[in-house]
Amino acid sequence: AQKVTQAQTEISVVEKEDVTLDCVYETRDTTYYLFWYKQPPSGELVFLIRRNSFDEQNEISGRYSWNFQKSTSSFNFTITASQVVDSAVYFCALSGASYNNAGNMLTFGGGTRLMVKP
Amino acid sequence: KAGVTQTPRYLIKTRGQQVTLSCSPISGHRSVSWYQQTPGQGLQFLFEYFSETQRNKGNFPGRFSGRQFSNSRSEMNVSTLELGDSALYLCASSLGTGGLNQPQHFGDGTRLSIL
Repeated sequence: AQKVTQAQTEISVVEKEDVTLDCVYETRDTTYYLFWYKQPPSGELVFLIRRNSFDEQNEISGRYSWNFQKSTSSFNFTITASQVVDSAVYFCALSGASYNNAGNMLTFGGGTRLMVKP
Repeated sequence: KAGVTQTPRYLIKTRGQQVTLSCSPISGHRSVSWYQQTPGQGLQFLFEYFSETQRNKGNFPGRFSGRQFSNSRSEMNVSTLELGDSALYLCASSLGTGGLNQPQHFGDGTRLSIL
């Protein structure tokens, strides 16, 4: 069984602050994929990043960075110098891998609502 | 390139009725998956279709079913509606054979309200 936990249900910061969103996962698969998605107030989920279980390299994309640590089963997301437009609900998700992609599920965490105040 | 299109955007039904929701994936995407989003349960995976076959299924009762057509368009059906089925239903599509292991492109969703 897969499980994704986002312990922070809501975070409020002031613009230009850095903020880290936590994600902890559980899976029995040795090969799996982790994702982050953003859901702005308009509602449409937007893909941000995908990581596979063999790639523990941290990634930076502009103001966004991701820290994947297999040893602690965590895949945390940091926004540097937050902006009001970053206000959204952020979801961490996990999928397993099978040779024919059957018997798989995409499991989401409960989401973290980030509010960035001007 | 057009995104994932879901119709209708809003739907109101009463208990016991059935409903069909439609999803047109991004052109060229062969995997279509469905999700239920509620304030209490969050985002939950319903099922995934690839090449007209249900390839993966979440933990939902048999009242929830779907199908995919040869043009990759998909429909989701919920029979004998219950109050707890009120939710935002999201459809997503992805490129290639990787299905759920690929980045998902989501539609705006269909908001279903059960009276």
